[in-house]
Amino acid sequence: QSALTQPRSVSGSPGQSVTISCTGTSSDVGGYNYVSWYQQHPGKAPKLMIYDVSKRPSGVPDRFSGSKSGNTASLTISGLQAEDEADYYCCSYAGSYHRFGGGTKLTVL
Amino acid sequence: QVQLQESGPGLVKPSETLSLTCAVSGYSISSGYYWGWIRQPPGKGLEWIGSIYHSGSTYYNPSLKSRVTISVDTSKNQFSLKLSSVTAADTAVYYCARLIRGYYDILTGSYEDAYYFDYWGQGTLVTVSS
Repeated sequence: QSALTQPRSVSGSPGQSVTISCTGTSSDVGGYNYVSWYQQHPGKAPKLMIYDVSKRPSGVPDRFSGSKSGNTASLTISGLQAEDEADYYCCSYAGSYHRFGGGTKLTVL
Repeated sequence: QVQLQESGPGLVKPSETLSLTCAVSGYSISSGYYWGWIRQPPGKGLEWIGSIYHSGSTYYNPSLKSRVTISVDTSKNQFSLKLSSVTAADTAVYYCARLIRGYYDILTGSYEDAYYFDYWGQGTLVTVSS
């Protein structure tokens, strides 16, 4: 089973918005509303940012939002801040299996 | 506050078995929830290895299933990973995490399915080398 497809990198200036895509199949992203997103700073453990496609855990800024259309999920970060620079991973439930994306490096210019 | 801490050898020889333990504090494993292992090779992405319920029920990544065993010890409030016949490709940072597979929605008054990892350990690097 291959990883979900994410762009290797995205970038944006402070205050701008960026969107990271996560493409799978009807067996994972398209088949379940159980996509989650994780932020990982260098040398740190991943941190949950979005679950169930678009729900935010308490403590996560509302600048982070998630959505899904067909087999592609998206994470949008609005009002970019320097501390948002990190790697981002999507993850989808796939029926007794959890598939992660390959990761996207977000650079804040 | 739920905390997870991985422990185990940082160096394992090829063909041997990798063994790690995840100690949980701030929550009793026997109270519920699933728990899981995820790994990340240096410079690469995350890969789910497998998960276990407090009762001992498990499910594994099909690509690793033949080599993986995850067990739970509720008396010590910890769960463990064993990965057999390791090669250099198994060199990675190994994370343990709590897996949410559903929750009670106070707003709707109903149980909602969900699948996400909410608490993670700091990770431990395991290198496979002779």
